[in-house]
Amino acid sequence: QVQLVESGGGLVKPGGSLRLSCAASGFTFSDYYMSWIRQAPGKGLEWLSYISRFGSTIYYADSVKGRFTISRDNAGNSLYLQMNNLRADDTAVYYCAKRQTLGGVLFDYWGRGTLVTVSS
Amino acid sequence: EIVMTQSPATLSVSPGERVTLSCRASQSVSTNLAWYQQKLGQAPRLLIYGASTRATGIPARFSGSGSGTEFTLSISSLQSEDFAVYYCQQYNNWPPLTFGGGTKVEIK
Repeated sequence: QVQLVESGGGLVKPGGSLRLSCAASGFTFSDYYMSWIRQAPGKGLEWLSYISRFGSTIYYADSVKGRFTISRDNAGNSLYLQMNNLRADDTAVYYCAKRQTLGGVLFDYWGRGTLVTVSS
Repeated sequence: EIVMTQSPATLSVSPGERVTLSCRASQSVSTNLAWYQQKLGQAPRLLIYGASTRATGIPARFSGSGSGTEFTLSISSLQSEDFAVYYCQQYNNWPPLTFGGGTKVEIK
């Protein structure tokens, strides 16, 4: 079955960096576009970034553009999010999500998320 | 950026009742609208896409309707496992992909 497992979250000081990973299994990873989406404590969902199957097309939300970098390793079935210059308002649970095959850019599988806390 | 607005923020409902949740887009998204369910401490689960197509394994008591800027998610007879937060998401005009603020369905 499809599994997405995020890791790499933790406590980091403002201005610091973290690299999140998402290990994918149960499907042919290279066949699917992927995204990162986050949820601040008690808040709604915020889309962050999107990467095409081989990384040729990448999009970012304005809130993270220039600070976050999405990438993928199809041989290793992994998705990454490099986060630099972190701010307090980046505190959130970060989810990786798999784009559904049909019907547009929506997400049929999500990981359980990894918590990033930015605090001094 | 298309702004998605959900109402109400919270719905207090008794099990067995029918509920209707609303989602409004700041401009037309055609039928490029999805609904997700999120239970406490869990990842979101896809319920509906294309405004009205149920995702795989979603019970028939969930239905979606609408087009353009006005959408609804209905649950015909609320079960105990349906108490959750529901989000809409547009994918017609992106980036960015945008979500509504959510509607919490709680036990009355």
